[in-house]
Amino acid sequence: ETGVTQSPTHLIKTRGQQVTLRCSSQSGHNTVSWYQQALGQGPQFIFQYYREEENGRGNFPPRFSGLQFPNYSSELNVNALELDDSALYLCASSLASTRGELFFGEGSRLTVL
Amino acid sequence: AQSVTQLDSQVPVFEEAPVELRCNYSSSVSVYLFWYVQYPNQGLQLLLKYLSGSTLVKGINGFEAEFNKSQTSFHLRKPSVHISDTAEYFCAVRRKETSGSRLTFGEGTQLTVNP
Repeated sequence: ETGVTQSPTHLIKTRGQQVTLRCSSQSGHNTVSWYQQALGQGPQFIFQYYREEENGRGNFPPRFSGLQFPNYSSELNVNALELDDSALYLCASSLASTRGELFFGEGSRLTVL
Repeated sequence: AQSVTQLDSQVPVFEEAPVELRCNYSSSVSVYLFWYVQYPNQGLQLLLKYLSGSTLVKGINGFEAEFNKSQTSFHLRKPSVHISDTAEYFCAVRRKETSGSRLTFGEGTQLTVNP
């Protein structure tokens, strides 16, 4: 059974650029959610994807967008990067029936200069 | 809306000592409660959960937590800690009436176990 894998692990961008982060969900899981964890903070929910559609979103602007593919893998896209977007981005996979038991990847650390 | 407050940002303890990490929550609806652990340079791992039933729940690595509805608390305890328990611990809630993976996390408690 493979766990949740994310890529890249680290990346550096400049303000105004765009970034794409990738996530492969755990085998058998059909739901993917993304979280932003700023330094010294708890993770904050960005959005969730199920059956290739977004079906839940936190308090993040539209420049944060995502995709889910038929194999349940997912992408997080962030446009027009701002300095405050510097954070660890965590992907979590689960079953649609989850009551909150999530399986997290190790994250992608984004630095915006 | 829900909120989670972890009352201590840092907890230093000596090896083999007991520890309690405190978590209070606020919600207008019923919630499920969780503790997740984050080891350095890793993602989060579920430690334990309270969904219903007995208010004392046991998790991995010898940790346990007690749900107190009247005090809206879900404190995490371990009777004897090891060096390997050094990590960041996050308390989280999810509304019962919703579905999916939207958790509200606290800001975390850094547990440091010293020899």
